[in-house]
Amino acid sequence: EIVLTQSPDTLSLSPGERATLSCRASQTFSSNYLAWYQQKPGQAPRLLVYGASSRAAGIPDRFSGSGSGTDFTLTISRLEPEDFAVYYCQQYGNSPRTFGQGTKLEI
Amino acid sequence: EVQLVESGGGLVKPGGSLRLSCAASGFTFSGYSMHWVRQAPGKGLEWVSSISSYGTSIYYADSVKGRFTISRDNAKNSLYLQMNSLRAEDTAIYYCASPRVGAYDYWGQGTLVTVSS
Repeated sequence: EIVLTQSPDTLSLSPGERATLSCRASQTFSSNYLAWYQQKPGQAPRLLVYGASSRAAGIPDRFSGSGSGTDFTLTISRLEPEDFAVYYCQQYGNSPRTFGQGTKLEI
Repeated sequence: EVQLVESGGGLVKPGGSLRLSCAASGFTFSGYSMHWVRQAPGKGLEWVSSISSYGTSIYYADSVKGRFTISRDNAKNSLYLQMNSLRAEDTAIYYCASPRVGAYDYWGQGTLVTVSS
């Protein structure tokens, strides 16, 4: 099973700043099938990015994904108040699908 | 509008059983595989099981293999998860999710399963 390790565990920033979240895989997987999700308290996760760099429908362009191989990044260019949440990466190229442990983005 | 609505969660004793349902609408349900993902209280996300569009391919996480059974009824646009021999560590919110773009682009609101004596 592929293990995804996210860093940092917690990221403390202010609105307007740039956020960089990292996700490292224990091995490569098919076709850069890497996704990023945002989850707010009491809500289901929301897909932000799939295929490592494709934004999901309705996602603002301040969210961008990059990376390949075993190292992937989610960048939020200018933080809005509603962006403070927990972010998970997930690989869906190899079975079983696995998630990272999450990064909490806090004010 | 795509909607996934889970039901069937609740409190059950260790060793007990529960059947979760997920009602889908707003898309061609029979065209896509469907998955269950769970989240223990205060913890991260864990993939549980998946079923192909016509049920011919089924997969389980090792943690639930032999105890959980996934199924679907395309005529009713519904997904199911039969959970037997439940353990305390199965306590979680269970989400059904649709990977229409490979990743999960639609999620239900989740149903809470609590396994406790």
